[in-house]
Amino acid sequence: QSVLTQPPSVSGAPGQRVIISCTGSSSNIGAGYDVHWYQKFPGTAPKLLIYGNSNRPSGVPDRFSGSRSGTSASLAITGLQAEDEADYYCQSYDSSQSGVFGGGTKLTVL
Amino acid sequence: QVQLVQSGAEVKKPGASVQVSCKASGYTFTDYYLHWVRQAPGQGLEWMGWINPDSGGTKYAQKFQGRVTMTRDTSISTAYMDLTRLRSDDTAVFYCATALGEAYNWFDPWGQGTLVTVSS
Repeated sequence: QSVLTQPPSVSGAPGQRVIISCTGSSSNIGAGYDVHWYQKFPGTAPKLLIYGNSNRPSGVPDRFSGSRSGTSASLAITGLQAEDEADYYCQSYDSSQSGVFGGGTKLTVL
Repeated sequence: QVQLVQSGAEVKKPGASVQVSCKASGYTFTDYYLHWVRQAPGQGLEWMGWINPDSGGTKYAQKFQGRVTMTRDTSISTAYMDLTRLRSDDTAVFYCATALGEAYNWFDPWGQGTLVTVSS
């Protein structure tokens, strides 16, 4: 049972927009800790996608965007492409001084 | 460029211990914390703890307290993660990743991962 809750799966057709939610509590996201997002393909290491709630590292397309509000955060992907099919994870910090992850969301491009 | 290269896959019996190494290059080893994260088959990512390569200070997730030890050798820019009293549910891919500091920071980049299989 992950501390942060993500939908197990989302899907969308090419060109569409999808949103992946990440719900926490008052001891992590709600306490003001930043949320970061990672993209992970099977058999490879996670790749940083969004840091500090809404910042994109160099090289990440602007089709990816992040936001945080209250005890939740969201990752939006616009102009969906086949290459976006992957697992996505949110990460934050808990007042127990632990890093915490969401359970991951599998994105399927129809 | 910043790169983390981990040691190879391991197969261990229940009750044994495993050590995974993570060799850093492309940056000053003592400038960034090293975190360890694991992913069991079909499961999500799980944070295990961090080591500050500069001071040697560590912080472990409560779940792993007493079974995990994180160390480093600054002379060869390498961090180590030791996990003892292995159980079958410790079978996972273990990753190291750099961060500016403690676990409220983002992790980037990551090592390639090391598969540890625990089986009798």
